[in-house]
Order: sequence, then structure tokens, then C-alpha cells
Amino acid sequence: GPKVLQIPSHQIIDMGQMVTLNCDPVSNHLYFYWYKQILGQQMEFLVNFYNGKVMEKSKLFKDQFSVERPDGSYFTLKIQPTALEDSAVYFCASSPDWGQDTQYFGPGTRLLVL
Amino acid sequence: GQQVQQSPASLVLQEGENAELQCNFSTSLNSMQWFYQRPEGSLVSLFYNPSGTKQSGRLTSTTVIKERRSSLHISSSQITDSGTYLCAMDLNNNRIFFGDGTQLVVKP
Repeated sequence: GPKVLQIPSHQIIDMGQMVTLNCDPVSNHLYFYWYKQILGQQMEFLVNFYNGKVMEKSKLFKDQFSVERPDGSYFTLKIQPTALEDSAVYFCASSPDWGQDTQYFGPGTRLLVL
Repeated sequence: GQQVQQSPASLVLQEGENAELQCNFSTSLNSMQWFYQRPEGSLVSLFYNPSGTKQSGRLTSTTVIKERRSSLHISSSQITDSGTYLCAMDLNNNRIFFGDGTQLVVKP
């Protein structure tokens, strides 16, 4: 079935540095999402994105976070600067339509901030 | 408050036994999904199930939207079924809320 890819699978970074997480969504999908799961905790919604714009974001989507998808390439989540509490697995998802179809999830990027 | 309640929190089975996992929602929802999360963390979508019953192999999902509940039945469990099962609800604004998950361990 359709697959969402995430690059890299793991990332270790020093606190204060910038990190970019990359998502390659399903090719004909229009809606994109990021979720965050801290180890041992519930997965939580961060942001959704459509037509070049953030549609909705949660309180977890701090000012240090930004998303974009330049020219139909990767859908990215950038954190600048990173903090220790940003250590988590970040899942990307995409869907073809708004509220009508399942979201397809990537395998996640495990981020460790030291 | 917690909008998605999953039960049980953990479950230990002998191989071959059946399992019934429950998910209850505190608000009305657009649709819901069941996911399997592998021990290393990656997600596999099992069912997208707005309502009714769907079956895939040994897995059966039944959702009753008006009662705000869904169940996942695993028949003849296998060791490889071990992992975390997550249910998630999709509100009309297309935001997904996840439950805490059921940790399943299947022993030989």
C-alpha cells in the first residue's frame, strides 16, 4: 500500500543546535501532519499542513518549530534551537483528503537531544 | 481531559488465546483508526473504521460511532502479535487523538 518515508530514522544532536526532520509523503496526498511521542507516553498531535500553510497546531508546536514543503519536495519539521525536552519519536503522516480518509504514517524519526 | 480511553492497559496471553481490546471516546468523532506499534516504535495502520465491522486475517475491528466505542479482536494470538495497539479518533477538524495504548505480550 501507500508508504510514507522518513529520513533519518535516528538523529542525535546537541542541545541548542538546529535539526530538520524530513518526510516523503504519499505522492498524491495533499494534507500533511507531524506527531510527537515521548518514550513511554501518548502520541500527540503537533501540526497539520495544506497548500503551503499551517492549518492547525497544538500547544506542543513551540515557536522553535517550523514546517514547510518547498516545491513539492520533502515535508520538513525544523527545530531551532533544540531543547532536551524535544527528545522523542516524530511521526509524519499524510492523507489525500480532509477528514475523509485515513492518515498514512511514516515509521518515525527518533530524535535524541543531548 | 483524556479523550480516548483504551483498555486494558496491558494484557498477557498464551499463544493461541484470543484478545479483545477496547477503545472509548469522550466526544463525537468523524472516524477512528487502529494502529499497531512495533517494539522499535514504528506504526502500522491496521484499520480505518468509521463504523461497522472490518476483518483482516485474525484481526476484527468493530466500531459503533453513536456509542463512541470501538473494539479490536485478535483471534488465535501469536508471539509476533506482541507490541502496542493504539486507537485514535479523528475529530471533524482532522486532528487525530491517540489513546495510551494496550501493551500486548503473547507468550509461547
